[in-house]
Amino acid sequence: AQSVTQPDIHITVSEGASLELRCNYSYGATPYLFWYVQSPGQGLQLLLKYFSGDTLVQGIKGFEAEFKRSQSSFNLRKPSVHWSDAAEYFCAVGPYTGRRALTFGSGTRLQVQP
Amino acid sequence: GAVVSQHPSRVICKSGTSVKIECRSLDFQATTMFWYRQFPKQSLMLMATSNEGSKATYEQGVEKDKFLINHASLTLSTLTVTSAHPEDSSFYICSAAKTGGLYEQYFGPGTRLTVT
Repeated sequence: AQSVTQPDIHITVSEGASLELRCNYSYGATPYLFWYVQSPGQGLQLLLKYFSGDTLVQGIKGFEAEFKRSQSSFNLRKPSVHWSDAAEYFCAVGPYTGRRALTFGSGTRLQVQP
Repeated sequence: GAVVSQHPSRVICKSGTSVKIECRSLDFQATTMFWYRQFPKQSLMLMATSNEGSKATYEQGVEKDKFLINHASLTLSTLTVTSAHPEDSSFYICSAAKTGGLYEQYFGPGTRLTVT
């Protein structure tokens, strides 16, 4: 079965600093990978996705992620964090044959210090 | 495009009553919709997959008689929590996959259910 691991439960960065959120997946084939952001009490907003092709994908709000098959990773990065980026970030994988739903990681809560 | 709405956004009900949550795809048709549950500070857990015109597929451990799902049209799926109890209090999020689409899902804003 596929699974997603986000090793960091909580990260705090200073505004203007760079950010990297880690995501590792377990999957038998080339996965479809997603990063979502959730503000408190809100639904999920898609930041970016990887299906195939260029392993460095650009998303909204200045985010990017790199798919590394050898490391089974899909880490999310941003060169300069803004206070409005404080939120919960979820990595997800899927779907695959027989299961169209996504499997989510446990999430990483990002705090931004002024 | 690809907007999903949920109604209500927030609901409080008494223990033992039933509550219905609607999930609508506003500008596309969705053969398949998904219902997730999210406890505070936790991730989303899939409850069931809802297919238009057929029975929902429930995940292991989810009581299908307690969480009734109906997907009567290509734009609407409903989740009814029957005989709600305080432990059913949670944040319920739906998502929809476009008919003919393959991999992407569009998420609703969620419904906060509080059972008193």
